[in-house]
Amino acid sequence: DAGVTQSPTHLIKTRGQHVTLRCSPISGHKSVSWYQQVLGQGPQFIFQYYEKEERGRGNFPDRFSARQFPNYSSELNVNALLLGDSALYLCASSFRPGQGAYEQYFGPGTRLTVT
Amino acid sequence: TQLLEQSPQFLSIQEGENLTVYCNSSSVFSSLQWYRQEPGEGPVLLVTVVTGGEVKKLKRLTFQFGDARKDSSLHITAAQPGDTGLYLCAGPSDSGYALNFGKGTSLLVTP
Repeated sequence: DAGVTQSPTHLIKTRGQHVTLRCSPISGHKSVSWYQQVLGQGPQFIFQYYEKEERGRGNFPDRFSARQFPNYSSELNVNALLLGDSALYLCASSFRPGQGAYEQYFGPGTRLTVT
Repeated sequence: TQLLEQSPQFLSIQEGENLTVYCNSSSVFSSLQWYRQEPGEGPVLLVTVVTGGEVKKLKRLTFQFGDARKDSSLHITAAQPGDTGLYLCAGPSDSGYALNFGKGTSLLVTP
């Protein structure tokens, strides 16, 4: 079975532009989470979606938004890009969101560079 | 925010050596997870520990969850170059919907 897939793999944008990143979860998984990983740091939580509804949001500005589609795939949108948005954006899927020890499976990420 | 501190930050060893990396917090976690991440890839889940004092083994890797569920360790026996990567620990946030990650331990195993 295919794992979590993300597109594009790499992306270069200019300050002020917007970007859309895409994620397809593992078949049967209904929850998608997005994380930002800056070089030298661990991933930081941005959003979690389940059944097309936002279930959790991290400490990120309103320039970041996301949505989940009926087929459980998801998009992450970032507007008015800043140099500091340069990072590896990771998508993780799980069967459902939950409390405690539920397991998330990560995709390979999209490397975004803002110049 | 429940912070996870990982140590050491960097570790460079030769093939065949043993090592231990640590994940500590002042908060109690219902569970902790360990991931390994290779350059340009997403984190891959290695193990989830749930019970205080729990020990889990994955081939040459041994994971332990502290009795008070505030810390965890990862011990690698006879390290191999294939063990090279960033080792991340993570625990559920207060809401349960997010994972809080440590900054990771970057391990380099040279032949």
